[in-house]
Amino acid sequence: DVKVTQSSRYLVKRTGEKVFLECVQDMDHENMFWYRQDPGLGLRLIYFSYDVKMKEKGDIPEGYSVSREKKERFSLILESASTNQTSMYLCASSAVGTGDYEQYFGPGTRLTVT
Amino acid sequence: AQSVTQLGSHVSVSEGALVLLRCNYSSSVPPYLFWYVQYPNQGLQLLLKYTSAATLVKGINGFEAEFKKSETSFHLTKPSAHMSDAAEYFCAVSAPNTNAGKSTFGDGTTLTVKP
Repeated sequence: DVKVTQSSRYLVKRTGEKVFLECVQDMDHENMFWYRQDPGLGLRLIYFSYDVKMKEKGDIPEGYSVSREKKERFSLILESASTNQTSMYLCASSAVGTGDYEQYFGPGTRLTVT
Repeated sequence: AQSVTQLGSHVSVSEGALVLLRCNYSSSVPPYLFWYVQYPNQGLQLLLKYTSAATLVKGINGFEAEFKKSETSFHLTKPSAHMSDAAEYFCAVSAPNTNAGKSTFGDGTTLTVKP
């Protein structure tokens, strides 16, 4: 069974802390994605990676960075957490193709910044 | 560029009634279209996808969707709702030949099923 795992289901951090969210997939997928999900706003793409050490900004990259040192692992970093980054964070992966491959999602990390 | 509009952020049906969740897309090229479901406190999982084969696509849990190019729609239906169908549903679109596999997601529709 395919699997995308995220390091934490719930996380509480203080304003100004550096936060690491980890995502691991076991499907040998080239593509990996980080989204944030907020009520009424759907899923918004923060960053995606199409290969090891390769990344591109999504729609809302400000305040975030990412790291992909190994194919199976994609990390989202909040350099200095702020209260407006309180959200649900979803990681996903997909195979390389012609756009018709679905994304596989992790269970999400609900981050609260106080 | 592509976009997705899901009409109705909340839909409520009675158990056993027809489920209809609406999705309209905008794309400059023939798109690939997806429906995902998210149960409470879980990630999204694929219900079904359209990739330019048959226009009527059947998915898991009795759901199906029909691609209508003339209406730029990909509405999700299920003949008889079950309590376990209560969840949030997302329509997504991607463009062919996008190697990065990026999709654009709609804002989601929350389905409530009343006993």
